Amino acid sequence: EAGVAQSPRYKIIEKRQSVAFWCNPISGHATLYWYQQILGQGPKLLIQFQNNGVVDDSQLPKDRFSAERLKGVDSTLKIQPAKLEDSAVYLCASSADRTGGYTFGSGTRLTVV
Amino acid sequence: KQEVTQIPAALSVPEGENLVLNCSFTDSAIYNLQWFRQDPGKGLTSLLLIQSSQREQTSGRLNASLDKSSGRSTLYIAASQPGDSATYLCAVGTYNQGGKLIFGQGTELSVKP
Repeated sequence: EAGVAQSPRYKIIEKRQSVAFWCNPISGHATLYWYQQILGQGPKLLIQFQNNGVVDDSQLPKDRFSAERLKGVDSTLKIQPAKLEDSAVYLCASSADRTGGYTFGSGTRLTVV
Repeated sequence: KQEVTQIPAALSVPEGENLVLNCSFTDSAIYNLQWFRQDPGKGLTSLLLIQSSQREQTSGRLNASLDKSSGRSTLYIAASQPGDSATYLCAVGTYNQGGKLIFGQGTELSVKP
């Protein structure tokens, strides 16, 4: 079974620029999550999709972050404009259902300078 | 609101020792609890998933226990090896938060040869 694919692996941008991350979950997994992990901390959920609908985006900074999951498969997370404090690893995960185990991708390390 | 705490934050042991990592959570109404491993600059690798009806899970040299009533889980690593050096994260899926995984801040383990 193929894992969760994420790209790019690394990204360096200047503040106020925009950036987008892509995630392809495990085939058949209905639930997709985007987490933000700041250095030295545990991951924090940004947004949760069930198929192509948003279940929870309560911790997503909606003035600058947006996410979509078209056709209930791939997902894109965008930041515009980026701030220095957005420097973090952005992790995508998927699960078959809410009670199942999560599988994480390798993450995208974002550095905002 | 679910809060997850991991103690200790960092641990250094000589090779061959048996060790225990601790995780506590404040809301016992959980779907499951999952232990992850994270190598520097990498994504999360799932180690063990314990459903709320289970008391423990084992995989090789790893054993995880769950005591819902006291809000605690432990990860036991037998005969530690330098290759076990990584950050270990505990996460719980909570009923009243849509099942999303809430993470602790992790325990950074270093096993010295």
